[in-house]
Amino acid sequence: SAVISQKPSRDICQRGTSLTIQCQVDSQVTMMFWYRQQPGQSLTLIATANQGSEATYESGFVIDKFPISRPNLTFSTLTVSNMSPEDSSIYLCSSGTHDRGDTQYFGPGTRLTVL
Amino acid sequence: GDSVTQMEGPVTLSEEAFLTINCTYTATGYPSLFWYVQYPGEGLQLLLKATKADDKGSNKGFEATYRKETTSFHLEKGSVQVSDSAVYFCALSDRVIYNQGGKLIFGQGTELSVKP
Repeated sequence: SAVISQKPSRDICQRGTSLTIQCQVDSQVTMMFWYRQQPGQSLTLIATANQGSEATYESGFVIDKFPISRPNLTFSTLTVSNMSPEDSSIYLCSSGTHDRGDTQYFGPGTRLTVL
Repeated sequence: GDSVTQMEGPVTLSEEAFLTINCTYTATGYPSLFWYVQYPGEGLQLLLKATKADDKGSNKGFEATYRKETTSFHLEKGSVQVSDSAVYFCALSDRVIYNQGGKLIFGQGTELSVKP
């Protein structure tokens, strides 16, 4: 299985500021995914990040609010821009595996609180 | 579109009780099915998976069988422990790209609390 790390693990931010979350995978993967988990809720996919191309955003999520970078096959960042209290969530990244199948492994998440 | 529906929680059981968490899905293709577990304050961990009809996934005493005829993937465990207390998510993958992960669609999660 892939080992995924995220930084920061948690942060408290002020309204109107931006936060960049980093995701590092211990092996090369083509696709990485960013999910949001609002308090007490399930996970919702924000976008899919392929190396060397623009991220693909799900309905309700836009690049201006959640810009994503994917500079190489082991790393991605998600920025939460111009934050409001409604952005308080856990943000998780995941990646596919190189063995057969479509299993995704998740990072530990970044717990964001916006005041 | 594709979707996953789980039984609502919270579910409270006594230690050594039998556990069933229901999960049903709708999908246009032939998805893979997963159960993930989230322990308090932690990220998601893959618990088990099944990639085709009649497959049974199992891990740590948990089992789930991919039932295409009933579009279900119920999670079961014969004897739960206090350490099983967590939130359990059923999910499906709506797209399979060879050797890579597909987009996951999650159910709403079921909180399990096991009392000694």
